[in-house]
Amino acid sequence: GQQVMQIPQYQHVQEGEDFTTYCNSSTTLSNIQWYKQRPGGHPVFLIQLVKSGEVKKQKRLTFQFGEAKKNSSLHITATQTTDVGTYFCAGRRQGAQKLVFGQGTRLTINP
Amino acid sequence: NAGVTQTPKFQVLKTGQSMTLQCAQDMNHEYMSWYRQDPGMGLRLIHYSVGAGITDQGEVPNGYNVSRSTTEDFPLRLLSAAPSQTSVYFCASSLRDRVWGEANSPLHFGNGTRLTVT
Repeated sequence: GQQVMQIPQYQHVQEGEDFTTYCNSSTTLSNIQWYKQRPGGHPVFLIQLVKSGEVKKQKRLTFQFGEAKKNSSLHITATQTTDVGTYFCAGRRQGAQKLVFGQGTRLTINP
Repeated sequence: NAGVTQTPKFQVLKTGQSMTLQCAQDMNHEYMSWYRQDPGMGLRLIHYSVGAGITDQGEVPNGYNVSRSTTEDFPLRLLSAAPSQTSVYFCASSLRDRVWGEANSPLHFGNGTRLTVT
C-alpha cells in the first residue's frame, strides 16, 4: 500500500537556526499537504502543493514538491520558539481518496 | 460554526468493554475520517467516508467499526477494547473535490479523544 516516510523523527535546534524536514512517498502523489501540531493540540493545516516542482512560501517557511511528485520538504529559516511542534506531511496517491500521513518530525527549540 | 466536535475528550476502558467515539461537523463536509496517533507512528488512518452511506477501510481498521448515516456524524465504535487500542483518536473532515472525486481540500481536525484501555 501507499507509504509516506518522513525524516528526521526528532530535531532539536537553537533558536535562530534553520530546520528542514523531508517527506518521501513510495508512489506518485496527486498532492501533498503539510500540517503542524502544537504539543497537546490537534494538527492544523499549513499548505497544499499540487504541481510538480512547486515551491510555496509562508513567511519563514518554504515548502517544496519534487519534480517526480514523490517527495517534499519543509524548511524553516531562523526558527523561533513559536515554531515548536510536530510537522506532518500527508499525501494522496493519484486516483485515491484517502490521505496518508508521514510519521511526523518533532521540533524542539532551545531559546 | 463549531467545526469538528469530538466527544468524549478522555475515556478509560477495561479490556473487553465497548464504546463509541462521537464525531460531528457542521461545515457540510462530505469527507470524514478517523485517525489514531501513537508516539513515533504519526497519524494512521482507521476508516474514512466520502459521503453519507459510504465508508471504507484505512490502514488500521481491525477492531473498529464506523457508519455514516448523516453528513454531519461519523461515529467510531470499539467493539471489544484491547490495550493495543490505547491511543489518541482524531476525527477529521474536508470538502470533497467534485471534479476529481478526491478530497483535495484541507482536513479540519477535532480536538481528539485520549483513550486508555487497561
